[in-house]
Amino acid sequence: DQQVKQNSPSLSVQEGRISILNCDYTNSMFDYFLWYKKYPAEGPTFLISISSIKDKNEDGRFTVFLNKSAKHLSLHIVPSQPGDSAVYFCAASAPEGNTDKLIFGTGTRLQVFP
Amino acid sequence: DADVTQTPRNRITKTGKRIMLECSQTKGHDRMYWYRQDPGLGLQLIYYSFDVKDINKGEISDGYSVSRQAQAKFSLSLESAIPNQTALYFCATSDLNSNQPQHFGDGTRLSIL
Repeated sequence: DQQVKQNSPSLSVQEGRISILNCDYTNSMFDYFLWYKKYPAEGPTFLISISSIKDKNEDGRFTVFLNKSAKHLSLHIVPSQPGDSAVYFCAASAPEGNTDKLIFGTGTRLQVFP
Repeated sequence: DADVTQTPRNRITKTGKRIMLECSQTKGHDRMYWYRQDPGLGLQLIYYSFDVKDINKGEISDGYSVSRQAQAKFSLSLESAIPNQTALYFCATSDLNSNQPQHFGDGTRLSIL
């Protein structure tokens, strides 16, 4: 059972416009959420995170929104740039004693075109 | 992340062979992880370690073993490789404090024929 879902495998956005990547989760025990960006032939790179006690976290062009009642989070990129073209993974973790295991979604490939 | 180094970057081998993938880090992190990524899927946790004396199974540990030789080194072994272990493997590290992001190496692409 996929606990973290990214239902859109791909997204295409024009440069300068907003990119919105979505993520849904099923486990209400998740209390920390992260977004990673991955370029081909490289490992995932941490982008931004949000704790379940917040509903928004912003870092430059990147903002993550969390809707706990809907078990949904989204990543907004404004304005989108060609260098943002990558695969974006949503991940979540739940407190299990001293563990911090991440559960990853399947990723969304973002293409930003000129 | 150049602070997390995986070797080899690519490996092609045959069914039944023993394979070791190595990971070393210069970040000084206590926690290390091994993940596997299959096409169209997210990363799945194989094993993780919180310090040299600590080894824990992840979601998909069957067919794999690990060794934490030092704080900076964490290796993944496939004792007898099989074709469905063909995948992209990532090592990651994180700080001891909770809710710290994990930092990934650039991956090892493993093909088992």
